[in-house]
Amino acid sequence: GAVVSQHPSRVICKSGTSVKIECRSLDFQATTMFWYRQFPKQSLMLMATSNEGSKATYEQGVEKDKFLINHASLTLSTLTVTSAHPEDSSFYICSARGRPSGGAAEQYFGPGTRLTVT
Amino acid sequence: GDSVTQMEGPVTLSEEACLTINCTYTATGYPSLFWYVQYPGEGLQLLLKATKADDKGSNKGFEATYRKETTSFHLEKGSVQVSDSAVYFCALSDRNNAGNMLTFGGGTRLMVKP
Repeated sequence: GAVVSQHPSRVICKSGTSVKIECRSLDFQATTMFWYRQFPKQSLMLMATSNEGSKATYEQGVEKDKFLINHASLTLSTLTVTSAHPEDSSFYICSARGRPSGGAAEQYFGPGTRLTVT
Repeated sequence: GDSVTQMEGPVTLSEEACLTINCTYTATGYPSLFWYVQYPGEGLQLLLKATKADDKGSNKGFEATYRKETTSFHLEKGSVQVSDSAVYFCALSDRNNAGNMLTFGGGTRLMVKP
């Protein structure tokens, strides 16, 4: 089946530092990857859509300079939270869109990364 | 724009009770409809889906029927188990939307007691 991994699963960092989160599609190629943010007991909020080899498209209200997204290959996208602050603490989930079984393209979700900024 | 509305939780049931989680949607095109499940501390897993009107998606005893006339995709299960305790998200993907982005409902927390 289609597997999407995220690393790290949990990270604690100090205010002002930067954190990089990796999202990998392990057994299929993903031309498009999505980054979501989820606050406690709330739904997923789409932050940005990234296509391999091009700039990410950010949703309204998401700071491009704070949440840097790089989609360097068909199996890897990274989200870097720059100059993190406590309000950036959240659960970040990525998804990868592809056709692992050759059928219709679907989104497959990673397990999420819990970021805590102290 | 597209939107998904689902019943607020939490929904608390006893084991073997019947479950219905309501979901309605608005979309400009002809969406595909999904139910995702999120277990504590984990990401989302696709539970079931339907791609056209009157389709029924089913998995692990859960079912949902794509009702175009009522723009609904209610999730049902005849007998829930403690292991079904999780948050359930209804979502749609509009084929007319380049990139097929998913639009999620607010999520419904299900708690099943033994």
